[in-house]
Amino acid sequence: EIVMTQSPATLSVSPGERATLSCRASQSIGSLLAWYQQKPGQAPRLLIYAASIRAIGIPARFSGSGSGTEFTLTITSLQSEDFAVYYCQQYNNWPPYSFGQGTKLEIK
Amino acid sequence: QVQLVESGGGVVQPGTSLTLSCEASGSTFSKYNMHWVRQAPGKGLEWVAVIWYDGSKKYYVDSVKGRFTISRDNSKNTLFFQMNSLRAEDTALYHCARDALAYCDDDCRAAFDIWGQGTMVTVSS
Repeated sequence: EIVMTQSPATLSVSPGERATLSCRASQSIGSLLAWYQQKPGQAPRLLIYAASIRAIGIPARFSGSGSGTEFTLTITSLQSEDFAVYYCQQYNNWPPYSFGQGTKLEIK
Repeated sequence: QVQLVESGGGVVQPGTSLTLSCEASGSTFSKYNMHWVRQAPGKGLEWVAVIWYDGSKKYYVDSVKGRFTISRDNSKNTLFFQMNSLRAEDTALYHCARDALAYCDDDCRAAFDIWGQGTMVTVSS
């Protein structure tokens, strides 16, 4: 089973600044990684798939990078609506599909 | 835009059963593999099960094998989750989610592009 580890657990950033979230896989997953955003009381929302491709309707300030075992989600010019919990997920080697434990992005 | 709406959650005692449903809007339900993903209170996401678009294949996380059964009725655009022998550790918000690729078959690798808001299952004596 592939274990996904996200860091940091909590990230405090000011609006308008850049946020960088990290995700590490316990073994290589190629580029088969997705990022999701979840706000309180809402369903997760797909942001990025294949490590770097934005899903339909996702603003360009969200970008993903990485391959193998190290991945990054970058959010530039943070907006108030971007403060949420972010999860990475590998879908290269399943079952089971595995998610990271999440990074909470909070307002500084 | 396709929407997924879950129902059937509730408060049940350990050892009992519950069946969840997930109804999809639109006419494309039968083209996509469907998943159940759960989220314990205050915790992260845990994938639980997947069913192929035609119902031919099913896979489960080890912790629910032999207790839970995923199924679907494509004529009714509905996904089901029969949960038996429930345990306290099954307490969670259960989301249904859709594969991002249609007709994804052998060696399928796809993210989950549409999610429901979930239905809460609480297992407590």
